[in-house]
Amino acid sequence: DAGVIQSPRHEVTEMGQEVTLRCKPISGHNSLFWYRQTMMRGLELLIYFNNNVPIDDSGMPEDRFSAKMPNASFSTLKIQPSEPRDSAVYFCASSLVLLGSPLHFGNGTRLTVT
Amino acid sequence: EDQVTQSPEALRLQEGESSSLNCSYTVSGLRGLFWYRQDPGKGPEFLFTLYSAGEEKEKERLKATLTKKESFLHITAPKPEDSATYLCAVNSGGGADGLTFGKGTHLIIQP
Repeated sequence: DAGVIQSPRHEVTEMGQEVTLRCKPISGHNSLFWYRQTMMRGLELLIYFNNNVPIDDSGMPEDRFSAKMPNASFSTLKIQPSEPRDSAVYFCASSLVLLGSPLHFGNGTRLTVT
Repeated sequence: EDQVTQSPEALRLQEGESSSLNCSYTVSGLRGLFWYRQDPGKGPEFLFTLYSAGEEKEKERLKATLTKKESFLHITAPKPEDSATYLCAVNSGGGADGLTFGKGTHLIIQP
C-alpha cells in the first residue's frame, strides 16, 4: 500500500497568493482529515470528511481556507489569499469509519508564506 | 472540550536507560487513546490504540498503559533509533471523529 500521498512536499509563496495542497488517501478508507502542525499549537484538526462529505469544519481558521473532496481518492485544501501566519506543516490523514480506527498520515506539505 | 497534556516536553536519555512518558487527558467519553511516533520531516506513525483503563499494549521496547485519567508510554532499554517525538491523542464520544493531539514529547537517546 502506498499510504497517504500529499503534494507538494514544500511550497513557498508570497503573501496574497493562492495555495492549493493535495491529498490522495489510502484506497478503501472512507474518512479523510486535514491537520495543521506548528511548534506553538501542535497538531490541530482543520476539517474532516466522511464518504466525501464534509462533516466538521469548525477547525478551519478563517474563510480564506476551504477544502473539497470531489471523489474518494482526492482532496484539496486551498488558502486564498495566503498570509505569513499560515506558514506551517499541513497533514492529510485517512482512516476507516470504525470505532477506534487509527488515522494514517501522509508526510505533509511544509508551507512557507513570505 | 477534549484536552491532552503530555510531559515532559523533552527528554534526553542514555542508550539503555529506561523511562516513561506521560499523557494526561480530559474527555467527555473516551472512545480510544492513541500513541504515535513522529520522525523529523515525516507524518505521525501509528503505534497503539488503548480503549479502557487497565489495558496494556506492547511493541518491541515500547509498552503503553492506560488509566482513567492518563496513559504512560514506557520505553525499556532504548536505542538511538527510538529517538523521535511521541504524540498522544484521544478520540471522544462527544467530539469530532478526528483525534485531539497533545503537543508531544521529544525523546533523544544518546549512544
